[in-house]
Amino acid sequence: GEDVEQSLFLSVREGDSSVINCTYTDSSSTYLYWYKQEPGAGLQLLTYIFSNMDMKQDQRLTVLLNKKDKHLSLRIADTQTGDSAIYFCAEIAAAGNKLTFGGGTRVLVKP
Amino acid sequence: DTAVSQTPKYLVTQMGNDKSIKCEQNLGHDTMYWYKQDSKKFLKIMFSYNNKELIINETVPNRFSPKSPDKAHLNLHINSLELGDSAVYFCASSQRTGANTGELFFGEGSRLTVL
Repeated sequence: GEDVEQSLFLSVREGDSSVINCTYTDSSSTYLYWYKQEPGAGLQLLTYIFSNMDMKQDQRLTVLLNKKDKHLSLRIADTQTGDSAIYFCAEIAAAGNKLTFGGGTRVLVKP
Repeated sequence: DTAVSQTPKYLVTQMGNDKSIKCEQNLGHDTMYWYKQDSKKFLKIMFSYNNKELIINETVPNRFSPKSPDKAHLNLHINSLELGDSAVYFCASSQRTGANTGELFFGEGSRLTVL
């Protein structure tokens, strides 16, 4: 079955770059996603990447995909205190109608 | 004009009671979901409906019964509540046409506490 794993916690200083990592097992994944959850709120889609791409950049966000190693990362440049949140990696398979989420990485940005 | 709205936001109840959570989306999406988020923030899909038809039904106790009266609404009824049902329940919606079907829009969540 599908499995998506992430590290639990990341602490970073304001202004530095954050890198959040994710590994997945389903080789038929078509799209991979990064969602952000702020305290007391629902998840919001941040960005996504199609499986035939290696990289996608969107302002301060850079997504890197290594399909061979089934590894996805999200880099946040110039991290701000407003970036403190839980970040979820997710994948959907080719024939899928189900989005599978990782356990979430809690990012704490220190001033 | 909230896109996906759930009520109630907070629900505190005793074991053994029956409760419902309602969800409505005004995005015109054809698919709606219920997710459960436990105290460790792990998210697990429970159900999904597409145009009022059940398409995903994960291993969920049959005390949980979803109902979709139309494609803009998906309600969750829980019978005989147990302590382990305490969690945040998220409703979400998406548009299934097109290849990128993992773009979900989430509600703010309904925090259920069973005493």
